[in-house]
Amino acid sequence: DGGITQSPKYLFRKEGQNVTLSCEQNLNHDAMYWYRQDPGQGLRLIYYSQIVNDFQKGDIAEGYSVSREKKESFPLTVTSAQKNPTAFYLCASRGDREGIQNVNTEAFFGQGTRLTVV
Amino acid sequence: AQTVTQSQPEMSVQEAETVTLSCTYDTSENNYYLFWYKQPPSRQMILVIRQEAYKQQNATENRFSVNFQKAAKSFSLKISDSQLGDTAMYFCAFMNPNEKLTFGTGTRLTIIP
Repeated sequence: DGGITQSPKYLFRKEGQNVTLSCEQNLNHDAMYWYRQDPGQGLRLIYYSQIVNDFQKGDIAEGYSVSREKKESFPLTVTSAQKNPTAFYLCASRGDREGIQNVNTEAFFGQGTRLTVV
Repeated sequence: AQTVTQSQPEMSVQEAETVTLSCTYDTSENNYYLFWYKQPPSRQMILVIRQEAYKQQNATENRFSVNFQKAAKSFSLKISDSQLGDTAMYFCAFMNPNEKLTFGTGTRLTIIP
C-alpha cells in the first residue's frame, strides 16, 4: 500500500540531546513537509522540500535541521538549540497528479510523532 | 509573507444543522490553492475540500462546500446536515506557487447530538 510513514509514534529524549524523526513515503511525491503542532497554534511549517537535494526554511526553522538525500525520505533533526521541542510533529508529502502536468494535489500526512523532552 | 487566519477557535452546532467555518488569508500571489483539512481525535489529517484560485466556481464535495471570495481573500467552509462524525479540528490551508503550504490555527467543531 502506498503511504507516508512516520516513526516512532512516541519519542522521549533528555534535554540537550539531538533527536531525529523519520518520515518515509512511497507515493513517488516530489514535495515533502514538516510541521509542528502545539495546542492552540495549529500547524506551523518547519521545513519543506520541493525536490531531492533541496529544501527551504519554513516559519519556525530555528533549532531544526533536515536533509533530502532521497526522494522517499525527509528526516527532521530536533537539535539542542530548539528551546521548546516537546510537541506533536507531522510530516506530509504531495505531488502532481500522475499523467497530468501542473495539477497540484493535496498533501498526504503521516500519523505523527509525539516528542517529549524531559 | 503568506498568512492564514481562522478567527473561530471553537464552534458547536446541533446534529443535522448547517455550520460555516471562516478563513481569511493574506497573499500577493494571483495563482494559489486553498484547502480545508479535518483532524479528528486520532490526529490523522484528512482532506475535506480544495479550491484552485483561478477557478471562479466554488468547490463542493457532498455535504461540504466553500464560499471562495478572491477579492476579499476569504475561503469559508459550509457543512450541511452535520453529523456526529464531523466533530473534529478543521484547518484552512494556503499553498503558493512555490509549494509553500501554510495552515491556520484551526477551529474546533463539536456536533451536538
